[in-house]
Amino acid sequence: DSGVTQTPKHLITATGQRVTLRCSPRSGDLSVYWYQQSLDQGLQFLIQYYNGEERAKGNILERFSAQQFPDLHSELNLSSLELGDSALYFCASSSAGTSGGEQFFGPGTRLTVL
Amino acid sequence: DAKTTQPPSMDCAEGRAANLPCNHSTISGNEYVYWYRQIHSQGPQYIIHGLKNNETNEMASLIITEDRKSSTLILPHATLRDTAVYYCIVTPRVGNQFYFGTGTSLTVIP
Repeated sequence: DSGVTQTPKHLITATGQRVTLRCSPRSGDLSVYWYQQSLDQGLQFLIQYYNGEERAKGNILERFSAQQFPDLHSELNLSSLELGDSALYFCASSSAGTSGGEQFFGPGTRLTVL
Repeated sequence: DAKTTQPPSMDCAEGRAANLPCNHSTISGNEYVYWYRQIHSQGPQYIIHGLKNNETNEMASLIITEDRKSSTLILPHATLRDTAVYYCIVTPRVGNQFYFGTGTSLTVIP
């Protein structure tokens, strides 16, 4: 158990819909990272937050957005969903911001878009 | 970020050492080598990381060549539970988003 929790575990929705994925980092960790894992793209970094502020962006679509709240939990919002958004979404946390460090991953949310 | 090259798959007999290689010939001086593994579709699990010295923890050992262009992850006594995809990641310590490659699928055979 990494100490990172993600909800829900599974999500099934239809094209065009909007969903929110939630992540609670390990106690004391200020950084949260979001990754997407699809069959054809592998694990891809989406976005990083540190203590409530966006720190880095990766291959995140404009239809996707994220935020980190004062209690340090984070939410990833996916809108206008397409079939290709079906994937595993992982959240990771680390104790460091720009100084790096190992990341601890949650169990993931499996999103299925029908 | 430096690119890494790993063999797509490897087998290892249970109880033997598993040696997983990784090439990172374009690594920069400030970049660390991290190893993670992913068992089935679970979240990636941190194994070990290092800069230039060899490192050992309760899970594995990491051997980095003197020129830092390659490294080897060693699982000393592989068990069936070590069957997983192993990822070698090279990243600067500062602002270290991880860029995962395709990894090595390790199968431990009874």
